[in-house]
Amino acid sequence: DAKTTQPTSMDCAEGRAANLPCNHSTISGNEYVYWYRQIHSQGPQYIIHGLKNNETNEMASLIITEDRKSSTLILPHATLRDTAVYYCIVRPNQAGTALIFGKGTTLSVSS
Amino acid sequence: EPEVTQTPSHQVTQMGQEVILRCVPISNHLYFYWYRQILGQKVEFLVSFYNNEISEKSEIFDDQFSVERPDGSNFTLKIRSTKLEDSAMYFCASRAGIQNTEAFFGQGTRLTVV
Repeated sequence: DAKTTQPTSMDCAEGRAANLPCNHSTISGNEYVYWYRQIHSQGPQYIIHGLKNNETNEMASLIITEDRKSSTLILPHATLRDTAVYYCIVRPNQAGTALIFGKGTTLSVSS
Repeated sequence: EPEVTQTPSHQVTQMGQEVILRCVPISNHLYFYWYRQILGQKVEFLVSFYNNEISEKSEIFDDQFSVERPDGSNFTLKIRSTKLEDSAMYFCASRAGIQNTEAFFGQGTRLTVV
């Protein structure tokens, strides 16, 4: 079972920042937070991951609270093409461990 | 950019027939996975494969399923006797052997059992 809780859906205006929250209150010390998204029925796409420090890449920023019980994915300037289901996944620090997907958050970006 | 390739993109088969879904993982990746997604539902883990053997599998991955890496590049999922409820998108993924790296997913094979 997924160890994360996410809102079912969110809306965002094009050009604005999209802030997607995730609760993972039972996260263990060796578990990372991963974010993936799925556009329509395409294969899941990696976005970003982190352990305890905030992370940023060309797609997004990941803010993890100090107690690591929650995190926020930030898409700084959402576009229509960012409309997708976003998955927050907690995964142990072991090379082969599979990602277990929950239901995610459906983000709808509108003009 | 390297990518995971899956073939075919869509396969239609009759109930009871065997199907083989094919995947070419990213070169030099060591961990391979199969997932499925029934229409309208979440992505479900089926099996992970490392060093030529199954390392982890879910309850869904029963005796009708098998995986194989027949050569140095392909990774296959076989469903022995398909049922209507096997209709789904099947995704292959691969991951480098280094810890904390991301998994890359293919674009999937849509399997329709009629």
